[in-house]
Amino acid sequence: AQKVTQAQTEISVVEKEDVTLDCVYETRDTTYYLFWYKQPPSGELVFLIRRNSFDEQNEISGRYSWNFQKSTSSFNFTITASQVVDSAVYFCALSDPLNTDKLIFGTGTRLQVFP
Amino acid sequence: DTAVSQTPKYLVTQMGNDKSIKCEQNLGHDTMYWYKQDSKKFLKIMFSYNNKELIINETVPNRFSPKSPDKAHLNLHINSLELGDSAVYFCASSLSGTANYGYTFGSGTRLTVV
Repeated sequence: AQKVTQAQTEISVVEKEDVTLDCVYETRDTTYYLFWYKQPPSGELVFLIRRNSFDEQNEISGRYSWNFQKSTSSFNFTITASQVVDSAVYFCALSDPLNTDKLIFGTGTRLQVFP
Repeated sequence: DTAVSQTPKYLVTQMGNDKSIKCEQNLGHDTMYWYKQDSKKFLKIMFSYNNKELIINETVPNRFSPKSPDKAHLNLHINSLELGDSAVYFCASSLSGTANYGYTFGSGTRLTVV
C-alpha cells in the first residue's frame, strides 16, 4: 500500500538556522509523483513542489531545496536561513498510482521559527 | 480573483442539523475534490468528481453527499451532523490526468459541531 511518513511531528528553530523536513514514502509503483505543500497559520494549503519518480535531480528555489533519493525512498525538504514567515505545517504527499487524481498525504511537520 | 473559493469559511452548528458547504473554481479545471483535515491535521480525500461524475468515494458515511451541478462547482451536503464531523474541509481542483501537477486548494471551511 502507498504510504507517506513524516516522522518529525514538530520542529523548532531560531531564525537563520537551516532546517530539514524529512519525508519517506512507500509505493510499489515505478511511476509516481511526490509533492510538498505548506499550510501557514491562516490555514490555506499552498503548493510548493512536484517531483516525478524519474527525475532525481535536486531542486532549489530560493531558500528552499528538495532532495529526492529513490534508493532510500525519501524526498526531504530543506529551508536555508529560516525566517519567521516559514512557520507553518508542511505536508509531503504521494500520488496514488491506481488513481493519479488522488493524493496520499503524510501527517505533516509543524515548523516553528522563532525570532 | 480567487481560484478555488469555498463558503462559508466557518460553520458552527448543532448535532443533528443538516448543512452544506459550497465550492466553486474559475480555473477551467474539470476535476474537483473534497478533502477532510481532522484535529490532528491529517488530510484525507473524501470525494472526487470529474465533469460532474463521481470518481472517488472514500468510505465516507452516506450522511455526506457531494453534488456537482457543473464542472466548476462541487458542493458538500452533510446530514445529521455528528460531533466527529468537526474538521476543516478543503475543496480542490485540477485538470484530469494532470493532478500530478498539483491541485489548487480552497482556503478551507472549518466546521464545528456542538
